[in-house]
Amino acid sequence: SQQGEEDPQALSIQEGENATMNCSYKTSINNLQWYRQNSGRGLVHLILIRSNEREKHSGRLRVTLDTSKKSSSLLITASRAADTASYFCATASSSNTGKLIFGQGTTLQVKP
Amino acid sequence: DAGITQSPRHKVTETGTPVTLRCHQTENHRYMYWYRQDPGHGLRLIHYSYGVKDTDKGEVSDGYSVSRSKTEDFLLTLESATSSQTSVYFCAISAPGLDYNEQFFGPGTRLTVL
Repeated sequence: SQQGEEDPQALSIQEGENATMNCSYKTSINNLQWYRQNSGRGLVHLILIRSNEREKHSGRLRVTLDTSKKSSSLLITASRAADTASYFCATASSSNTGKLIFGQGTTLQVKP
Repeated sequence: DAGITQSPRHKVTETGTPVTLRCHQTENHRYMYWYRQDPGHGLRLIHYSYGVKDTDKGEVSDGYSVSRSKTEDFLLTLESATSSQTSVYFCAISAPGLDYNEQFFGPGTRLTVL
């Protein structure tokens, strides 16, 4: 079964706007990660946030984690057409097997 | 980019035939994973390996087997392909010592079972 559920499933914005995607999960985690997938390509790791962290930044990306609500959000600021892709959250369980459980993803379209 | 290749990149086969997909890495990473990606399901883990000859089942392992005889190669076999196994298959690797849960993905294999 899927651990993560992402919201919205699809998002369309204009270039320069901010994009926010949300991820909810069910069980305790060691960390939560976000990945991007361009059409027809493999996934690319964007950012990892540990369970004891609340916020993390990387360039135009901001990730928050609320373990009490079992949820995370990914904010992309000042979006560009090149940000058009699918975005997936993935959780690593506290048992630390190296396994990830992926959400179903949010498809982001950034219009120029 | 992490040195991960998958072969073949595309394959069309018939129901009941055996199929083997290969994942090859040049990073010497200990952990390797096979996922399938289907619309509406995201990525689901099929099998994974945490070392040579050490493998374990994932979420959707029925109908699949794997082998890892060398660090660099992880093979996924469909013993008798079915139409429900039509999917895009991704291999991934990760390494302890980094944030080893971070995974690096191959380019994918698109498999069609007729």
